[in-house]
Amino acid sequence: DIQMTQSPSAMSASVGDRVTITCRASQGISNYLEWFQQKPGRVPKRLIYGASRLESGVPSRFSGSASGTEYTLTINNLQPEDFATYFCLQYKNYPRTFGQGTKVESK
Amino acid sequence: QVTLVQSGPEVKKPGASVKVSCETSGYTFSIYGISWVRQAPGQGLEWVGWLAPYNGNTNYAQKFQGRVTMTTDTSTNTAYMELRTLTSDDTAVYFCARDGRGDYYGVGDFFDYWGQGTPVTVS
Repeated sequence: DIQMTQSPSAMSASVGDRVTITCRASQGISNYLEWFQQKPGRVPKRLIYGASRLESGVPSRFSGSASGTEYTLTINNLQPEDFATYFCLQYKNYPRTFGQGTKVESK
Repeated sequence: QVTLVQSGPEVKKPGASVKVSCETSGYTFSIYGISWVRQAPGQGLEWVGWLAPYNGNTNYAQKFQGRVTMTTDTSTNTAYMELRTLTSDDTAVYFCARDGRGDYYGVGDFFDYWGQGTPVTVS
């Protein structure tokens, strides 16, 4: 199985900050990676697919990048509505595997 | 528009079974796979398994092998997940999500649409 190691598990940030979240895959996943945002009691919302492609309707302050087996979600100019939990997902292989999640809280 | 509408909350006794439905609309049901994902209270997302309406293939997470069955009804564009021998550890919200096409690879066709979630409580 492909393990997805996500870091940090939690972080405190302020409006206007730049936030970086990382997922490292235990083996190559050829950019078959997505990022999701989830708020309490809500359905996960896809932000990024194919490692770097922005979902339609998602603000351009969200971006994804890849370097080898390391994948990064960057949020520029953090907005109040961005305080949430973020997950990565690899869909290269079965079983699909998620990162453990990163909770972005207000400092 | 594409929608996945799941069945309502369930409360089950330990040892019982639960069957959750996911009724789809707005796209050709038989072309896309469906994954089931669960989220225990305060926890992360856990993939349960996948099925392909176009050929009946399934792929289950090892921890659920022998305890889960995923099926479809193409006449109603509905996917089902049955989980048996429930324990309190199965208490979670269960989601269905569209997962890939069977006719060609589209980079955006994975987990793009989700059901609203079905809370299952085992107590």
